[in-house]
Amino acid sequence: TQTVSQSDAHVTVFEGDSVELRCNYSYGGSIYLSWYIQHHGRGLQFLLKYYSGNPVVQGVNGFEAEFSKSDSSFHLRKASVHWSDSAVYFCAVSAWAQGLTFGLGTRVSVFP
Amino acid sequence: ETAVFQTPNYHVTQVGNEVSFNCKQTLGHDTMYWYKQDSKKLLKIMFSYNNKQLIVNETVPRRFSPQSSDKAHLNLRIKSVEPEDSAVYLCASSLLGGQDTQYFGPGTRLLVL
Repeated sequence: TQTVSQSDAHVTVFEGDSVELRCNYSYGGSIYLSWYIQHHGRGLQFLLKYYSGNPVVQGVNGFEAEFSKSDSSFHLRKASVHWSDSAVYFCAVSAWAQGLTFGLGTRVSVFP
Repeated sequence: ETAVFQTPNYHVTQVGNEVSFNCKQTLGHDTMYWYKQDSKKLLKIMFSYNNKQLIVNETVPRRFSPQSSDKAHLNLRIKSVEPEDSAVYLCASSLLGGQDTQYFGPGTRLLVL
């Protein structure tokens, strides 16, 4: 069974600040880790994913995430947020031929 | 650019009715999925389907069933809706299996009165 934990339900930042969204997972086999963003009233948009190789992966719009096997984590970061980054962010894990298992999401509010 | 299309955007119905939601992807993907997102934004996989295999989340009630005419289409049918079925239903597709990026449609919001 795969589980995903996002410890922060809501994060508030100011435009230009950096942000880190935390994600921890549990699964015994090989998994794929990804982050998605959901703006209000919209579907999910893919940000980035990791399976193997360089533990730091770059995504769209300046987002990056770092995988840590020892911590079972895949935290998402952005150095300087924009107001348009206000959304709900979901961390997800998947195994072969299965759907995604999502965390509960972290709502990010960016203030000017 | 949208490549996973869902209809309708919004549907209101009464308890006991049958509903069907459509999903089409133009990405040439082999695998499609249905997810349910409840009022608290919790997302859960319902079905994963390609031309070889249907994987059903065992927590999905039997009144839900996927229907596919070809690999570009995966519809969702609910035989007799219940109030707890009120949610947003998201369709997604990926090239092959779970290791591939999933692309999501905009969702169909269902309200059961």
